[in-house]
Amino acid sequence: DIVMTQSPDSLAVSLGERATINCKSSQSVLYSSDNKNYLTWYQQKPGQPPKLLIYWASTRESGVPDRFSGSGSGTDFTLTITSLQAEDVAVYYCQQYYGTPFTFGGGTKVEIK
Amino acid sequence: QVQLQESGPGLVKPSETLSLTCTVSGGSISSYYWSWIRQPPGKGLEWIGYIYYTGSTNYNPSLKSRVTISVDASKNQFFLKLSSVTAADTAVYYCARPYCSATTCSPYNWFDLWGQGTLVTVSS
Repeated sequence: DIVMTQSPDSLAVSLGERATINCKSSQSVLYSSDNKNYLTWYQQKPGQPPKLLIYWASTRESGVPDRFSGSGSGTDFTLTITSLQAEDVAVYYCQQYYGTPFTFGGGTKVEIK
Repeated sequence: QVQLQESGPGLVKPSETLSLTCTVSGGSISSYYWSWIRQPPGKGLEWIGYIYYTGSTNYNPSLKSRVTISVDASKNQFFLKLSSVTAADTAVYYCARPYCSATTCSPYNWFDLWGQGTLVTVSS
């Protein structure tokens, strides 16, 4: 199984400041045949299913604010929220879809400082 | 637009079988892959397995001995059965569908469609 490790477990950021979440996979999720990273990010608020934010590690889903961005390749990835808004309080998960079993990071809880 | 709705008993006794249904509305179940994912209260997400509309399946090895996913395309539904449940199986269970392009569907894509989830508690 590909183990996904997120850090930190939680972080508190002031409104308007930057939030950075890291995700590390136990093996590369970069598929050589198409040069794509099979890595996605979700946002989950209480009582709701996960909401897709980013796929292919850095492609923003339609309708997602541009303050959300994804970066990284191979085994190390980052989700950045450039100017935290109150509505961004949530738990964020990375997930690899490179191979089965599909696996998720443990989640990072983002709060307002 | 396409929507997913999970349904089934909210309480299951230990050692019994958990059974859930996911109903697909607003679109066809055909040509797509369909997954079950679960989330214990306050914890992270675990992929359980997927089924293709033809009936082929792929399960998480951690649950494979206890899981059966099936489909009834005529009813636009797919199903989850998890046997010999324990308290560790208490979770919100989601059905989900990976992204499908205009030309091809692959299970190796991000989940862009989720049901609202249903809480199943295992307790006597």
